[in-house]
Amino acid sequence: EVQLVQSGGGLIKPGGSLTVSCEASGFTFPNAWMVWVRQAPGKGLEWVGRIKSASYGGATNYASAVKDRFVISRDDSSHTLFLQMTDLQIEDTAVYYCTTVTNWGQGSLVRVSS
Amino acid sequence: SSELTQDPAVSVALGQTVRITCQGDSLRSYYASWYQQKPGQAPLLVLYGKNNRPSGIPDRFSGSISGNTASLTITGAQAEDEADYYCHSRDSSGDHLVFGGGTRLSVL
Repeated sequence: EVQLVQSGGGLIKPGGSLTVSCEASGFTFPNAWMVWVRQAPGKGLEWVGRIKSASYGGATNYASAVKDRFVISRDDSSHTLFLQMTDLQIEDTAVYYCTTVTNWGQGSLVRVSS
Repeated sequence: SSELTQDPAVSVALGQTVRITCQGDSLRSYYASWYQQKPGQAPLLVLYGKNNRPSGIPDRFSGSISGNTASLTITGAQAEDEADYYCHSRDSSGDHLVFGGGTRLSVL
């Protein structure tokens, strides 16, 4: 059974940093391209970024709204995906999901507030 | 603003057929995927590629494409189909992914 179990998230002040993790099981994680998606309260889904597998160089792409502030990385040895967020702003408040596109984590709430 | 445009809300009578559309120039080059999301839940992939359903998705869900418009059709809508539906594809550059704004489906 494919599982994506997220950890991290919480309340952070504007300008702060936070990392959300996503531990994968039930599939060949090193071969998977992984995606982060967020959803602000009461709003639609927003693509955050993607990391390709190591065989594709582990290349990353980011949405313009988070580029230069967020970093997606992966540890294939521990089957874990990371989303490092810096210089967080009020508008970054959202539930963050890791996803293979087919399977989704349970979501992590990141709330940015003073 | 999203490069994929969806109607904000659509309604359908129980048992009838409804079509949810997604419009965008990138759809002339790339397939759309469709997600269903119910309140408090993570999205669920219901359709991908030309017209493919993941395991466990009922065959009343089907997809089509015409020009720059992708469509999700539910034939014989059920009460449990009431949800938000999002289309998903690449943007015009092909490098980034993008979601439509979502369509809230009400089953009356």
